[in-house]
Amino acid sequence: AQSVTQLGSHVSVSEGALVLLRCNYSSSVPPYLFWYVQYPNQGLQLLLKYTSAATLVKGINGFEAEFKKSETSFHLTKPSAHMSDAAEYFCAVSGSLSGNTPLVFGKGTRLSVIA
Amino acid sequence: GAVVSQHPSWVICKSGTSVKIECRSLDFQATTMFWYRQFPKQSLMLMATSNEGSKATYEQGVEKDKFLINHASLTLSTLTVTSAHPEDSSFYICSARDLQEGRYQETQYFGPGTRLLVL
Repeated sequence: AQSVTQLGSHVSVSEGALVLLRCNYSSSVPPYLFWYVQYPNQGLQLLLKYTSAATLVKGINGFEAEFKKSETSFHLTKPSAHMSDAAEYFCAVSGSLSGNTPLVFGKGTRLSVIA
Repeated sequence: GAVVSQHPSWVICKSGTSVKIECRSLDFQATTMFWYRQFPKQSLMLMATSNEGSKATYEQGVEKDKFLINHASLTLSTLTVTSAHPEDSSFYICSARDLQEGRYQETQYFGPGTRLLVL
């Protein structure tokens, strides 16, 4: 079974500041990990994913995440926040190697960016 | 990247009526699609797994007779909310995996969602 815990339901940063959104996972098998972003009244857009190829994963819009097995973490970071980054962010995990499996989502973290 | 569409994007209906939501993969084939439900300010919860040509697999606690799923082709899955009630008001999102990506690619593409309001 897999589960995801996102620490902090709301994170607020100043424009230009570092963004750090925390995600810890639990999985009985080697995990696939994902970060998605959701803008108001829209579906989910994939930011990046970890599929065991590299522990540091770079995604779109300047985001990156590092897989740390010893800490069971997959935190999302961006060096400099932009106003357009304000949205809801979801961490998700999938444990199957064969595909056709749904994702298990965390509860989400709302990112606010202050001018 | 692959595109998944949903129709309608918004629907308002009276209590007791049925509503059909379509999920289409526009430029790829998907034997499996997933239906999620999202309540305000909450995460996505998996409702069911839709398999082309066979019955859907429902998550525990989801009424299969209330949420009818039909996956008639490799590009279309439909979710019908039967005899809708106000508590069914929610944001429904589907996702699909591209068959051509390969067996071990775990990327799912999400639709834009359908917001249902039952009065």
